[in-house]
Amino acid sequence: NAGVTQTPKFRVLKTGQSMTLLCAQDMNHEYMYWYRQDPGMGLRLIHYSVGEGTTAKGEVPDGYNVSRLKKQNFLLGLESAAPSQTSVYFCASRNTQIGYGYTFGSGTRLTVV
Amino acid sequence: AQSVSQHNHHVILSEAASLELGCNYSYGGTVNLFWYVQYPGQHLQLLLKYFSGDPLVKGIKGFEAEFIKSKFSFNLRKPSVQWSDTAEYFCASDTGGFKTIFGAGTRLFVKA
Repeated sequence: NAGVTQTPKFRVLKTGQSMTLLCAQDMNHEYMYWYRQDPGMGLRLIHYSVGEGTTAKGEVPDGYNVSRLKKQNFLLGLESAAPSQTSVYFCASRNTQIGYGYTFGSGTRLTVV
Repeated sequence: AQSVSQHNHHVILSEAASLELGCNYSYGGTVNLFWYVQYPGQHLQLLLKYFSGDPLVKGIKGFEAEFIKSKFSFNLRKPSVQWSDTAEYFCASDTGGFKTIFGAGTRLFVKA
C-alpha cells in the first residue's frame, strides 16, 4: 500500500550513542518532514526538505541532522543521543499543491537512557 | 509568528453526547486549516481540511468543522460521539508555504 514507512518502530539508546531513523515514501511527494511528539506539546518540527538534496531547519533542530539524497527517502540522525531526545518521532510527506494535508508514518518510539 | 491554539487539553464525554473542540489560529492572511486525529498507538490521520470555498467542511466519520474568519477559528464538531472516537485531535494551519503549525492537541475520552 502507498504511504510513509518508518524504521525502526522502537529503539532504546544509551546516552551518547548514535542512530539513524529512516523514512521512505512511495507517493512521489516533494516535501518531507520530521516531527517529534511529546506529551502536552503537540508536534514540533525538527527538520524538513522541499526536494531531493535540500534540507532546512525547523523549530527544534539542535542535536539532529538530516539528509535527503533520494526523493523517496528522508533520514534523521542523532549523533550523540541525550535523554531529552526521548520522544516519538513522526515522518510526514505531502505534495506541493496548496491545501493538501500530510501523510504520516507510523512513528518511532525512541528512549534514551 | 504563526501559532495554533487548542482550548481544551482533555475532554471527557459520554457516548451520544455532542462534541465541539476549539481551535484558533493567529495568521491574518490566507490560511489552510486541518484537523488530524491520532487513535491510541497510531499515527496521525487527516480528518478534514479547509483551504477555500464553503466554510463548513465535512470530513470522515461524521466530523465537521466551521471556518470563521472573523474569529480566527476552526472548531471541530460532531453531533453524537462514539466510544471509537476516543483519540487525540490536532488542529493545524499553514499559509501555503512549506510548513504546517500544529496545536498542542486535545485528548478526547468517550465513556461507553
